[in-house]
Amino acid sequence: TAGITQAPTSQILAAGRSMTLRCTQDMRHNAMYWYRQDLGLGLRLIHYSNTAGTTGKGEVPDGYSVSRANTDDFPLTLASAVPSQTSVYFCASSDPSGGGTDTQYFGPGTRLTVL
Amino acid sequence: SQQGEEDPQALSIQEGENATMNCSYKTSINNLQWYRQNSGRGLVHLILIRSNEREKHSGRLRVTLDTSKKSSSLLITASRAADTASYFCATDALGSARQLTFGSGTQLTVLP
Repeated sequence: TAGITQAPTSQILAAGRSMTLRCTQDMRHNAMYWYRQDLGLGLRLIHYSNTAGTTGKGEVPDGYSVSRANTDDFPLTLASAVPSQTSVYFCASSDPSGGGTDTQYFGPGTRLTVL
Repeated sequence: SQQGEEDPQALSIQEGENATMNCSYKTSINNLQWYRQNSGRGLVHLILIRSNEREKHSGRLRVTLDTSKKSSSLLITASRAADTASYFCATDALGSARQLTFGSGTQLTVLP
């Protein structure tokens, strides 16, 4: 299994443009998450989805939107990018309903630069 | 806001030595997890300790949890150069709907 894949690996984006970061998992996990990681700040939760068809806001949701049309995919959209959205974005998934341990599995990340 | 804060921010040791990293958090938790991140990569889960546990072992890893002090420690014994990475604690706070809040991490460098 591939686990979690993210695309693109990196991107340079002009301010004001829109972009969708893609995330796909093949583990059939119910829950998925988007984080951003900035130097010295650890990971901050942007949006999450506990199951297909539902989404919720995390700590830093402004300027981002998500959708969860099915179990496997959880795209993150920046409608109008700003330089402060320059960051490394990580997608993760977990399966708390499986009697598991709430462990999250992470993708390799997307490095986004907004100029 | 950051729920967990790691200490120290950076740690440099010689191969074979033990490395200890600490994490403090603010609210009551369901569990606390430790993750590792190699440079340029995603995070990898290391170990989870539940709020009713005080100590847990996994290979060369030992985690302790003191809920009265709202703190945890991660001990890596007999460190290797391959242990060089950033280590993050993450808390699953009560009522958080299983969302994790990550600390800012400890950068561990193990010198050969």
